Amino acid sequence: EAGVAQSPRYKIIEKRQSVAFWCNPISGHATLYWYQQILGQGPKLLIQFQNNGVVDDSQLPKDRFSAERLKGVDSTLKIQPAKLEDSAVYLCASSSQGFTGELFFGEGSRLTVL
Amino acid sequence: SQQGEEDPQALSIQEGENATMNCSYKTSINNLQWYRQNSGRGLVHLILIRSNEREKHSGRLRVTLDTSKKSSSLLITASRAADTASYFCATDGRSNYQLIWGAGTKLIIKP
Repeated sequence: EAGVAQSPRYKIIEKRQSVAFWCNPISGHATLYWYQQILGQGPKLLIQFQNNGVVDDSQLPKDRFSAERLKGVDSTLKIQPAKLEDSAVYLCASSSQGFTGELFFGEGSRLTVL
Repeated sequence: SQQGEEDPQALSIQEGENATMNCSYKTSINNLQWYRQNSGRGLVHLILIRSNEREKHSGRLRVTLDTSKKSSSLLITASRAADTASYFCATDGRSNYQLIWGAGTKLIIKP
């Protein structure tokens, strides 16, 4: 079974530039999550999709972050414009068990904003 | 907001020793999960324990849950160098199914 795929693995940009991250979840997983993980901290949920609908985006900075999940499969997370404090690892995870099951994570996309 | 808090923040032990880390949380939960994260990698699920369970085993891992104290512990027996990683607990509240994560325990196994 293929795991959660994310790209790019690393991205370096200057502040005020834009960046996009892509995630392909495990086939058949209805629930998809985007997390932000700052060095030394636990993951922070940015947005949760159930199929192609948003379940929770309460912690997504909507003035600069956006996310979509086309046709309930792949997802893209965009940051525009980026700030220095956006430097973090962006983790995508998927789950087949709704809200409370095991999450399967991708390797993450490490963003450095200069 | 972070509900789970792991303790200690960092732990360094000799290979072969047992490692114990703890997680405390604030509100009633449905489940508690433990994950491992190797440096520069994604998180890997280790074990899920339901609120009506008190103990669960998986290989060298033993997890306990005390809902009266709102705490859980993860025991890794006979540690190996490959166990070097950060360990996170995640809880989901009874009324809010969002997973809440702690800041993790960084475990270093010295050869």
